[in-house]
Amino acid sequence: KNQVEQSPQSLIILEGKNCTLQCNYTVSPFSNLRWYKQDTGRGPVSLTIMTFSENTKSNGRYTATLDADTKQSSLHITASQLSDSASYICVVSAGGGATNKLIFGTGTLLAVQP
Amino acid sequence: GAVVSQHPSWVICKSGTSVKIECRSLDFQATTMFWYRQFPKQSLMLMATSNEGSKATYEQGVEKDKFLINHASLTLSTLTVTSAHPEDSSFYICSARGLAEPLHLYEQYFGPGTRLTVT
Repeated sequence: KNQVEQSPQSLIILEGKNCTLQCNYTVSPFSNLRWYKQDTGRGPVSLTIMTFSENTKSNGRYTATLDADTKQSSLHITASQLSDSASYICVVSAGGGATNKLIFGTGTLLAVQP
Repeated sequence: GAVVSQHPSWVICKSGTSVKIECRSLDFQATTMFWYRQFPKQSLMLMATSNEGSKATYEQGVEKDKFLINHASLTLSTLTVTSAHPEDSSFYICSARGLAEPLHLYEQYFGPGTRLTVT
């Protein structure tokens, strides 16, 4: 069964600190892995997309890693800001081309406090 | 680029009435559109997939007669919740997918969501 698990479920950090969110997946056939940021009451916004051959990708203060052998990914947030408070969702794309299907993790709710 | 809009952003309707939600791809042609619903503190759940000009494919457990989907053009899909009940209250999010290079990415772009409250 295709599954994406994220940890922790929620996290509270102080402004300026770094944090790392984890994602484990069992998805076949694997196409790509995405991290999304979802603000409360808004739709998800893409942060990074990684294919099988990529093991790290950065987008500003966000850096995602992918280990396709262990089927794990992480999202590292550097120098957190209050605006980083949101739900971060790991999504794995199964299949390829026009028939791919997104498998969503349950998200990590991050709260950045002043 | 690749902006998806939804209208309305929130709607309140009475039990038993129907409500229509629009999803538009503003600057690209969406060959496929997806409808999701999201309950509080839960992740997105795919309801249905629609390809332009053909009938939508519904996920298991989603009533196609209750959630009517129309994808009449490459830039517009609509979701109509018929005979709405309080348990239909949820956050509805659409996403749109077009042709992109490299082909294996087929990026999905999400709309901002529509909050439906049925009283």
